[in-house]
Order: sequence, then C-alpha cells, then structure tokens
Amino acid sequence: DTEVTQTPKHLVMGMTNKKSLKCEQHMGHRAMYWYKQKAKKPPELMFVYSYEKLSINESVPSRFSPECPNSSLLNLHLHALQPEDSALYLCASSQASGVTVYGYTFGSGTRLTVV
Amino acid sequence: GIQVEQSPPDLILQEGANSTLRCNFSDSVNNLQWFHQNPWGQLINLFYIPSGTKQNGRLSATTVATERYSLLYISSSQTTDSGVYFCAVGRGSEKLVFGKGTKLTVNP
Repeated sequence: DTEVTQTPKHLVMGMTNKKSLKCEQHMGHRAMYWYKQKAKKPPELMFVYSYEKLSINESVPSRFSPECPNSSLLNLHLHALQPEDSALYLCASSQASGVTVYGYTFGSGTRLTVV
Repeated sequence: GIQVEQSPPDLILQEGANSTLRCNFSDSVNNLQWFHQNPWGQLINLFYIPSGTKQNGRLSATTVATERYSLLYISSSQTTDSGVYFCAVGRGSEKLVFGKGTKLTVNP
C-alpha cells in the first residue's frame, strides 16, 4: 500500500459545528503532516507529528486540534471555524530516520467549506 | 528561514515540446522535492532529490546543492502534464518550505 487516504473528500460545516478530518497510511512512515492550501497558493504547514509526538505547530489557532492515535492514523479536529478557514486540507507522510526526512506522500485532500 | 524561488511562474506549451523549470533556494538544504499538483488538487511526489540527477520516464531532475538550485526537465510534454509544479526544500527535521510554483499549461 503506497497511499495516504483522507476522508472525507468534501466537507461543508457551519461555524458552530464540530467535525474531524481523518488521514491514514500503511507504509510504515513515522512522520505525518497537516497542510492547508488556499486557492492559487502553495501548501502551508500546520502540524508535524514525528513518531506519534507533535513536533511542530506552526502557530495554528486552537480551533484546529490535531491528534495522532497511532503510527498509521492522523486526525484534525475542527471546532468553531471561520469562513476564512475554507481551504484544501492536505495530509502527508514520510519516512524519517533521526533528523533525516525523506520523500513525502500526500493524500488527495479534504476540500473544506465553512458557512 | 530558507527562501525558495521558482521560475517561470507560468508556462504555456504545445504538446510535444520540452521545458525546464527552475528552483533556487537561499541556504544549504538536505531535502529537496518536486511535486506536481493536478487540476483536482492531488499532489504527486515526482522526485526526492537533495543532490544529483534522477530520471523517471519523460521527467528528469538535477540538483546542484553547492550552487543552490534544482532543475526539472519535462520532455515531449502531454496535456496530462498540465498543473502546478512545486519545489520544496528543507533541512533535517525542519519544515519543508514550498516555492510559489510554476503553472504549466500544455495545449493539444
């Protein structure tokens, strides 16, 4: 299995809703990432998990809450989002060996619309 | 932090043409990747190439780490090559920094 699977593919949520994005990989990768991408812009890093521990938080607002229950699964919990949070949310994974990180594999993303 | 500059920002080709995309970066890196994002948003990893040259079918890439640039070559382009090509660089466990991308349009 050489894929990163993201669900759902599309999500519309109200500003008072709570929802979760899910990301799964079975490649044995020990680094997993959440990125946010607005239209016509490059992906922006949100969070990095290394060996199931949060290693980088790019000053993301607390209405985004990541979780890594095990080495194959990464969740992003959403609460009280704003319309400007509407974007494509991408998950990625990579092999990691000490401080060396290798090629990333991205999922197909969740297109989120906040109304 | 590391700065990444990609050129050209936009490129329009006829099917069958060849092209070269460039990525310049401002500091030493040990992680450099090229990605293709298709019109549906899927990011595909083309190359992990912190140094040297690699080839995969019609695509090849060269990174000259000492001179801080990388080149992506596309030969005999096809309409399915259309999309945005991103270069991303990093050091060790630091975050990967993406360039702004090159938008490629291949016309039939």
